[in-house]
Amino acid sequence: GDSVTQMEGPVTLSEEAFLTINCTYTATGYPSLFWYVQYPGEGLQLLLKATKADDKGSNKGFEATYRKETTSFHLEKGSVQVSDSAVYFCALLRTGGYNKLIFGAGTRLAVHP
Amino acid sequence: DTGVSQNPRHKITKRGQNVTFRCDPISEHNRLYWYRQTLGQGPEFLTYFQNEAQLEKSRLLSDRFSAERPKGSFSTLEIQRTEQGDSAMYLCASSFTRGEETQYFGPGTRLLVL
Repeated sequence: GDSVTQMEGPVTLSEEAFLTINCTYTATGYPSLFWYVQYPGEGLQLLLKATKADDKGSNKGFEATYRKETTSFHLEKGSVQVSDSAVYFCALLRTGGYNKLIFGAGTRLAVHP
Repeated sequence: DTGVSQNPRHKITKRGQNVTFRCDPISEHNRLYWYRQTLGQGPEFLTYFQNEAQLEKSRLLSDRFSAERPKGSFSTLEIQRTEQGDSAMYLCASSFTRGEETQYFGPGTRLLVL
């Protein structure tokens, strides 16, 4: 079945460091891919998305490129801030009438001043 | 604010009691989803509606769980005879069938069963 695998956390970085959170997926066909972010005690916020191979999603300095050949959608940011501390979820949505998001387990990011 | 809203935000109940949660989707969205998230895990799909029709249910949704969306607008999720294993965050999301179908989430209802 479909699945998403994320690197385990927590990821601990100093402010202004470079961030990479790895995400790989297994799916039939050509899913859409998403990154959601969850701040403590809150629901999920859409961070970025990509709907086809080689698309790059970007938002708030975060980027991720849909790589079909490696079935990956790694999240990157050039310079993290303390306010980026949160849990990040990679997810896929199969096309063609399937409607449930499949999430990874999440990666906790802690950024220190 | 026209985002997804959920009520209550927190619920503490005793084992065996019934609880009901409400979700109000973004107004023009015709699809509504329920997910459950346990501590340290990603959300897991429970069920979804297109307008008032419940089109898919996960095997996670036992007979004690029921969801409704009577007029195709808000939805309720009821858990009967709660168990400690039901303790989780219950998330609602909505989307529109035309176009990108991105799901937008509400703040969630955190349930604790004592």
